[in-house]
Amino acid sequence: DTGVSQDPRHKITKRGQNVTFRCDPISEHNRLYWYRQTLGQGPEFLTYFQNEAQLEKSRLLSDRFSAERPKGSFSTLEIQRTEQGDSAMYLCASSQGIPPYEQYFGPGTRLTVT
Amino acid sequence: DAKTTQPNSMESNEEEPVHLPCNHSTISGTDYIHWYRQLPSQGPEYVIHGLTSNVNNRMASLAIAEDRKSSTLILHRATLRDAAVYYCILRDGSNTGKLIFGQGTTLQVKP
Repeated sequence: DTGVSQDPRHKITKRGQNVTFRCDPISEHNRLYWYRQTLGQGPEFLTYFQNEAQLEKSRLLSDRFSAERPKGSFSTLEIQRTEQGDSAMYLCASSQGIPPYEQYFGPGTRLTVT
Repeated sequence: DAKTTQPNSMESNEEEPVHLPCNHSTISGTDYIHWYRQLPSQGPEYVIHGLTSNVNNRMASLAIAEDRKSSTLILHRATLRDAAVYYCILRDGSNTGKLIFGQGTTLQVKP
């Protein structure tokens, strides 16, 4: 097991386009989290799943954002009609569903909207 | 989750101990204290966590004040690879799962 992986690592897109990111968690982890991080700031929570159920969404997750985890394994985060303000690092993390819920993070996908 | 306060930056010399402070005066009885760090161009990584007692692991030690209103992450011998942003995070004992990151402390390690 090589940890949490994310694809792509970098994405440049034009404003108004849709983008989709993928996250593959550690295989035995049933919890999966998405965060967003802008330069100089700590990561901000977006949403998390336990198995295939999306249990919490931040108000940061506007209608243009949607996340899925259809089979309780990998997850996708889609941003529709991207805006320049969406430019950020999108981080995925996974954890077991038992305390202390230690989260393991992937390397992130850096999105640049031009 | 309750708020934490950390210095923006700290410096240390290589192979010397580093004490990273964190204030959390509004901590509740069910809040755990977690520390994560983020190396340049990487995602955050878990360092250590505790509730009331001091904790040690292979990466660091966590000293928790008796009133739990502050804590200190201790790196016993800083190396250049310890240069990172260190985040002190409070998480309640419920099942919410999410981490709420602050600005963290940027640690510079000088050779």
